[in-house]
Amino acid sequence: AQTVTQSQPEMSVQEAETVTLSCTYDTSESDYYLFWYKQPPSRQMILVIRQEAYKQQNATENRFSVNFQKAAKSFSLKISDSQLGDAAMYFCAYPANNAGNMLTFGGGTRLMVKP
Amino acid sequence: EAGVVQSPRYKIIEKKQPVAFWCNPISGHNTLYWYRQNLGQGPELLIRYENEEAVDDSQLPKDRFSAERLKGVDSTLKIQPAELGDSAVYLCASRGLGRPDTQYFGPGTRLTVL
Repeated sequence: AQTVTQSQPEMSVQEAETVTLSCTYDTSESDYYLFWYKQPPSRQMILVIRQEAYKQQNATENRFSVNFQKAAKSFSLKISDSQLGDAAMYFCAYPANNAGNMLTFGGGTRLMVKP
Repeated sequence: EAGVVQSPRYKIIEKKQPVAFWCNPISGHNTLYWYRQNLGQGPELLIRYENEEAVDDSQLPKDRFSAERLKGVDSTLKIQPAELGDSAVYLCASRGLGRPDTQYFGPGTRLTVL
């Protein structure tokens, strides 16, 4: 069974500082995608960043970047220059079945940003 | 481009009552998903549609839950009768052919069963 694990239930960061959220997953596949979603109090799931497993280069979207370690099955999210608006729940997700792309989510990490 | 639309945003009902949620996916998206998210947890898939066909409903509690996607566009998820444990946020997501790897989520419906 595919699983996604986020070992940090809560994280805190000072505004303008950098924080890294951890995620590990389990799969026997070689080609797949990985995602980080942000869920603010409004409950809207917002795509933050995606990584294609066959690409060696880590994905980057403005202040968000990933550290993808395929052999270790690790997919961490780094947020640079943290802003108050970054405060939210962050979910790591992996499509358990590439054909259907049904996402398996981790348990989430609540990120608090201190002014 | 309009995003995924869901209604209602909030619903409060008493147990044993029926309830229905509606989802309008992004235009042109053939694949539609319903997820349930319990408090403090990540979403869990209930059902997946490819056009009007339910191709994966193994996680849907079929004794009380039903779903339909007539004409392969809008979808409705129904619970009858609702139980206290059904209180959760119900999320709809859609995926298109242009970006087959990425799902886009609606704002969800928060259900409270009293």
